[in-house]
Amino acid sequence: DTEVTQTPKHLVMGMTNKKSLKCEQHMGHRAMYWYKQKAKKPPELMFVYSYEKLSINESVPSRFSPECPNSSLLNLHLHALQPEDSALYLCASSQVWGNGHYEQYVGPGTRLTVT
Amino acid sequence: RKEVEQDPGPFNVPEGATVAFNCTYSNSASQSFFWYRQDCRKEPKLLMSVYSSGNEDGRFTAQLNRASQYISLLIRDSKLSDSATYLCVVNSAGNNRKLIWGLGTSLAVNP
Repeated sequence: DTEVTQTPKHLVMGMTNKKSLKCEQHMGHRAMYWYKQKAKKPPELMFVYSYEKLSINESVPSRFSPECPNSSLLNLHLHALQPEDSALYLCASSQVWGNGHYEQYVGPGTRLTVT
Repeated sequence: RKEVEQDPGPFNVPEGATVAFNCTYSNSASQSFFWYRQDCRKEPKLLMSVYSSGNEDGRFTAQLNRASQYISLLIRDSKLSDSATYLCVVNSAGNNRKLIWGLGTSLAVNP
């Protein structure tokens, strides 16, 4: 099973709302990632968690707050977003160690619209 | 020079054609290489990892040339369902878990 699941599939929120995106995997991967993807652009890395600890933050604004409650779950808490934050938010997971290739398996994404 | 460069296309080919995509990367210390496929409004899906010896999966063949810092993907006997954007992805030399994504090459296979 190489499945990463994400909920919700679609989300519309106002600029004053607080919402959360959820991601889950049961592949035993101990690295999990949040990406943001705009139309016709490649995914842009936001955060990396390794062994449930934040290891990379790509200078993401504080209105995005990641959380990794356990090795299978990854959340992204959203607050006071801007319309330009509208995008497809992708979660991915990978092994932390192994043959060195660290293939990342990407979830179906949450399509976020900020109004 | 961009860290990962791909010809954006679009490539328009008839069914049954053989098509090749190329990708160059700038950091000679990169160790991991991948091809992902992305359909319109869907997530990128891992197509194949690219190994030093080259690897094949059915109609798909990936090659790596470290000396030229060049990766290729060959698709034989193209199907309509191969129409998608193909993303070349390379790990950051400073961090194996940080991937650098190319802009993608768009393929349209026509009947």
